[in-house]
Amino acid sequence: NAGVMQNPRHLVRRRGQEARLRCSPMKGHSHVYWYRQLPEEGLKFMVYLQKENIIDESGMPKERFSAEFPKEGPSILRIQQVVRGDSAAYFCASSPFSGTGGIEQFFGPGTRLTVL
Amino acid sequence: AQSVAQPEDQVNVAEGNPLTVKCTYSVSGNPYLFWYVQYPNRGLQFLLKYITGDNLVKGSYGFEAEFNKSQTSFHLKKPSALVSDSALYFCAVSGASGGSYIPTFGRGTSLIVHP
Repeated sequence: NAGVMQNPRHLVRRRGQEARLRCSPMKGHSHVYWYRQLPEEGLKFMVYLQKENIIDESGMPKERFSAEFPKEGPSILRIQQVVRGDSAAYFCASSPFSGTGGIEQFFGPGTRLTVL
Repeated sequence: AQSVAQPEDQVNVAEGNPLTVKCTYSVSGNPYLFWYVQYPNRGLQFLLKYITGDNLVKGSYGFEAEFNKSQTSFHLKKPSALVSDSALYFCAVSGASGGSYIPTFGRGTSLIVHP
């Protein structure tokens, strides 16, 4: 049973370009979460999605960032016009359901974005 | 708002000695508490969680954690550390009632086990 898959593992972009990060959840999981990890700052929640729905995007910057989880295919985190401050590790996690929050999440290996 | 504090950026312990990684939390109502471990260049792996019931929770790789409601703590422990336990450890909290169902993570504690 494949775990959570993320690609690419490493992504280099120049300032102003677009970055697309992909996440395929574990089989049978319909809930996807995106996090950003910066050194010394831990893991910061960005967005929570179910198939075709954004449930909670309270951690997502208002501009340049968007996320989707289509009926078919992986979840995508999109960063437009990247800036150096976007350089970070981006992790996707999935769970079979959310319930009241007592469900553990399964994390992918992350995408390390470097903006030159 | 819910929050987690991991007061130690780094914990050093000799192999074979007991280890403790500290975590305190703040949340409205009853908490759900989690520990995850992250090895270099990898995603987080779930270790254990507290939902309800027995305050001592046992998890993967010989780790355990004790929920202390009066001290709002959920410290991670292991009786005998291994060099291979060296990694980054994250505590997380979500709210069973009142708090957010989205987990809030601490900043992480780097555990270094010396041979």
